[in-house]
Amino acid sequence: NAGVTQTPKFQVLKTGQSMTLQCAQDMNHNSMYWYRQDPGMGLRLIYYSASEGTTDKGEVPNGYNVSRLNKREFSLRLESAAPSQTSVYFCASWAMEDTGELFFGEGSRLTVL
Amino acid sequence: DAKTTQPTSMDCAEGRAANLPCNHSTISGNEYVYWYRQIHSQGPQYIIHGLKNNETNEMASLIITEDRKSSTLILPHATLRDTAVYYCIVRSYNQGGKLIFGQGTELSVKP
Repeated sequence: NAGVTQTPKFQVLKTGQSMTLQCAQDMNHNSMYWYRQDPGMGLRLIYYSASEGTTDKGEVPNGYNVSRLNKREFSLRLESAAPSQTSVYFCASWAMEDTGELFFGEGSRLTVL
Repeated sequence: DAKTTQPTSMDCAEGRAANLPCNHSTISGNEYVYWYRQIHSQGPQYIIHGLKNNETNEMASLIITEDRKSSTLILPHATLRDTAVYYCIVRSYNQGGKLIFGQGTELSVKP
């Protein structure tokens, strides 16, 4: 099993450009999450999806949109990138019926110039 | 989900036990305590979780106070590879709601 897969792993954008971060999990998990982590900081929740067809705002949702395309995929979109969105983005998934372990992707490093 | 409070940083000598505290005074009855750690810029790694009773696995032990308002993660024989940021979080077991990590504790294991 691949677990949680994020693409791309690295991306450089100019201010105002748009892009979508893709996340897919092959563990049949219900809940999926997007976090950002700035240098020297902890993880901050951007958006989450408790189940297929639902999405909710986290701690820092401004400037982002999400789509829970199906049970496997949860994408994060930046419509007009800003330098303040330079960060490492982590996707995670969780099976409520299981031990409760949260599985993370390897992260996507985004730089906005 | 309840918020947690952890010290910003801690040091530990290699080979000694590392005891990482966490306060979660507003935890509710159906919320579990989870511990994760993050090494460098990798994705966080699950360590252990518990509800009321103390738990132990191959990585660590989790001690939860009787009132459940605080807990301690114990790494019995810390190694240099245990240097990482450790996060304590609380959440309901079967609800896919918010999962807030907080700042965590930066543990430095020194030779």
